[in-house]
Amino acid sequence: AQSVTQLDSQVPVFEEAPVELRCNYSSSVSVYLFWYVQYPNQGLQLLLKYLSGSTLVESINGFEAEFNKSQTSFHLRKPSVHISDTAEYFCAVSDNGEYGNKLVFGAGTILRVKS
Amino acid sequence: DAGITQSPRHKVTETGTPVTLRCHQTENHRYMYWYRQDPGHGLRLIHYSYGVKDTDKGEVSDGYSVSRSKTEDFLLTLESATSSQTSVYFCATRTEYGYTFGSGTRLTVV
Repeated sequence: AQSVTQLDSQVPVFEEAPVELRCNYSSSVSVYLFWYVQYPNQGLQLLLKYLSGSTLVESINGFEAEFNKSQTSFHLRKPSVHISDTAEYFCAVSDNGEYGNKLVFGAGTILRVKS
Repeated sequence: DAGITQSPRHKVTETGTPVTLRCHQTENHRYMYWYRQDPGHGLRLIHYSYGVKDTDKGEVSDGYSVSRSKTEDFLLTLESATSSQTSVYFCATRTEYGYTFGSGTRLTVV
């Protein structure tokens, strides 16, 4: 069964600094990778996804993630964070098909952006 | 959360009582899922469904049952609620673009 490890439970960072949230998954023949964001007291929103093709995927609000098959990683990066990026971020993986039968989540990383 | 409605949004119940949470979708998606979210654990899969009357267990299914008699509805039942089932419950569907989540149900068992 797939598993996902988010290496940092909390990441504090100052506004306008770069940030990287790390995610590793257990190996499989083919995987589909997702990052979700959850703002305080809200539901989950899809931030970006990797299904196939280019290993670098981007979101509309400046985040990007790179699929690295050899390192089984899908780290999330942003070159300059804003206060409004404060949220919890979840990495998730599915397999066994185009989108898989099940989505497995990591434990989450809380990003705290300080002014 | 377009197309997915969870009810109730909040519920407080007593230990030992049965509780049913409802997930309703309007998009005719085949796959539906129930997750629970707890601090430090992320989201963990409870049960999922791959069609009407077709369900399977997830990672944390003990103490929960599900039913799906119609494509649009997926019910999660706690037969006898316990304090360890205090959590936020999310329903999800699998779409052609990925997975979409409902707004969640916050359940407190006292």
